[in-house]
Amino acid sequence: DGGITQSPKYLFRKEGQNVTLSCEQNLNHDAMYWYRQDPGQGLRLIYYSQIVNDFQKGDIAEGYSVSREKKESFPLTVTSAQKNPTAFYLCASSAWGGSSYNEQFFGPGTRLTVL
Amino acid sequence: AQSVSQHNHHVILSEAASLELGCNYSYGGTVNLFWYVQYPGQHLQLLLKYFSGDPLVKGIKGFEAEFIKSKFSFNLRKPSVQWSDTAEYFCAVNARGGATNKLIFGTGTLLAVQP
Repeated sequence: DGGITQSPKYLFRKEGQNVTLSCEQNLNHDAMYWYRQDPGQGLRLIYYSQIVNDFQKGDIAEGYSVSREKKESFPLTVTSAQKNPTAFYLCASSAWGGSSYNEQFFGPGTRLTVL
Repeated sequence: AQSVSQHNHHVILSEAASLELGCNYSYGGTVNLFWYVQYPGQHLQLLLKYFSGDPLVKGIKGFEAEFIKSKFSFNLRKPSVQWSDTAEYFCAVNARGGATNKLIFGTGTLLAVQP
């Protein structure tokens, strides 16, 4: 059953702690993405990776870090430097390359609450 | 910079009413256009997309959207909504031919359909 998994579904952390969100895909996609969703603000791109061992900042990368050591995995760390980390985080993946757009597929999301 | 505007933040309709959700984008070049839907507790999923050709595109569940290039608009329509259409709807844009596969999302429209 192909798809994207994100764990856990709900995550609670104390202020000042780093936390890592998991994203795994078995779609054999080269590209992976992290979005943040806040009420009334839509989805905003945090980081994306086109290929293993490479990633680029999105529009709101401050306070976040990522790694891409394996094709199927793209974990996101929310650091203590992120001023407003409570949000819903969505991971996506797509094929990469060619001149046309490659459809992004989304995971179920992780709701992070920082207390 | 590209941006997407969804002017309706909250819409409340009765069943069988007609729906039109507005979406305008700002970008001077050629774009790919999308509507995504997020049902309560479910993954973000693609409702319909426009790449080229007939500007009136049909998607799943009876939805359609019309691309009007002169107005930079891609409004979503459904002639008769059902209670099961209650969800959040996002318009998104991809700059065609760009170096990345990035999507720019609107802020979303929360639709509540009353039985």
